[in-house]
Amino acid sequence: NAGVTQTPKFRVLKTGQSMTLLCAQDMNHEYMYWYRQDPGMGLRLIHYSVGEGTTAKGEVPDGYNVSRLKKQNFLLGLESAAPSQTSVYFCASNHRDRGLTDTQYFGPGTRLTVL
Amino acid sequence: AQSVSQHNHHVILSEAASLELGCNYSYGGTVNLFWYVQYPGQHLQLLLKYFSGDPLVKGIKGFEAEFIKSKFSFNLRKPSVQWSDTAEYFCAVNAYYSGNTPLVFGKGTRLSVIA
Repeated sequence: NAGVTQTPKFRVLKTGQSMTLLCAQDMNHEYMYWYRQDPGMGLRLIHYSVGEGTTAKGEVPDGYNVSRLKKQNFLLGLESAAPSQTSVYFCASNHRDRGLTDTQYFGPGTRLTVL
Repeated sequence: AQSVSQHNHHVILSEAASLELGCNYSYGGTVNLFWYVQYPGQHLQLLLKYFSGDPLVKGIKGFEAEFIKSKFSFNLRKPSVQWSDTAEYFCAVNAYYSGNTPLVFGKGTRLSVIA
């Protein structure tokens, strides 16, 4: 199993550009998450999904949109990138057995720079 | 909403020294507690977790943590660190309100182990 994979690994955007980050998992997990990691801030939850076709806001959702059209994929979109969105983005997933309390499996991260 | 405090931003230890990393959370009700670790260039992975039962939890690689409800703490310990323990360590908590809430992470503690 590949586990949780993220595409792309690195990206540089100009202010105002849009892009989509793709997260894919092959573990048949129901729950998926998008976090951002900033120096000295830890991980902060952007959006999450408890199943195909459902999404919910996390702690820092502004400026981001998500979609979960297929169980194995969770997309994070930036419609108009801003320098404040420069960060490392992590995707994670877990099985539904213990829901939001279950062990999460993380992807390798996407390093995004917005100029 | 719950919050998690990790008091040490960066800890530097010599090999074979003992380790204790502090973690305090703000919620007074039922909680689930986690320690995740991020080795340089690798994914975040679970170190150990506490749901209920024995408040002393043992994890991988010789780590343990003790849940002290009266102190709202879940400190991570290891009797003798190795150079390979160099990593960033994150404490995280779920709280139970009328249902479980998403995981909230602390800001992380960077551990550097020197020879």
